[in-house]
Amino acid sequence: DQQVKQNSPSLSVQEGRISILNCDYTNSMFDYFLWYKKYPAEGPTFLISISSIKDKNEDGRFTVFLNKSAKHLSLHIVPSQPGDSAVYFCAASPSGNTPLVFGKGTRLSVIA
Amino acid sequence: EAQVTQNPRYLITVTGKKLTVTCSQNMNHEYMSWYRQDPGLGLRQIYYSMNVEVTDKGDVPEGYKVSRKEKRNFPLILESPSPNQTSLYFCASSLTRQENGYTFGSGTRLTVV
Repeated sequence: DQQVKQNSPSLSVQEGRISILNCDYTNSMFDYFLWYKKYPAEGPTFLISISSIKDKNEDGRFTVFLNKSAKHLSLHIVPSQPGDSAVYFCAASPSGNTPLVFGKGTRLSVIA
Repeated sequence: EAQVTQNPRYLITVTGKKLTVTCSQNMNHEYMSWYRQDPGLGLRQIYYSMNVEVTDKGDVPEGYKVSRKEKRNFPLILESPSPNQTSLYFCASSLTRQENGYTFGSGTRLTVV
């Protein structure tokens, strides 16, 4: 039973346009959500997070939006750059010290 | 430099030959974890440890062992590797509060023939 779902395995976007990566979750008790970025032959790196008490968090070109009623979050990258091409993982933190739950990832390709 | 170090980066071994993948972190993190990444399956947790001498099973613990004798090290042990354990493995660490995010190692690509 997947608690965190990334339904799009891949996404292609033109350089300079907006990339929108989506993530759905089933557990309303998650208190933090995070996005990780992974390049080939490297470990995932933390990108941005959002608390469940907020609906938006912005860091430079990256913005995460949280819609608690829909149990949906999205990562917006504006403008997209070729260096953003990577696999993006959505993750959720249950309350307490329970480990993060990861989605299966979405491969983003930014085309020059 | 704050980092998680895994060794080896690449390993080819034969079925049944015991192996250990080491993981070490220099950030004094309480929490450490092992994941495997397989095509179409994303990151699946094998084992995790909230602190020294405390370990728990993740989603796919079968065929693996771990130990946490000291805070900085969290080795992954495959007592009798099988071909279905061919995968890309990642070690991660964090402070106990997860919203700080995990720091991942660079990965170990294991092939069992």
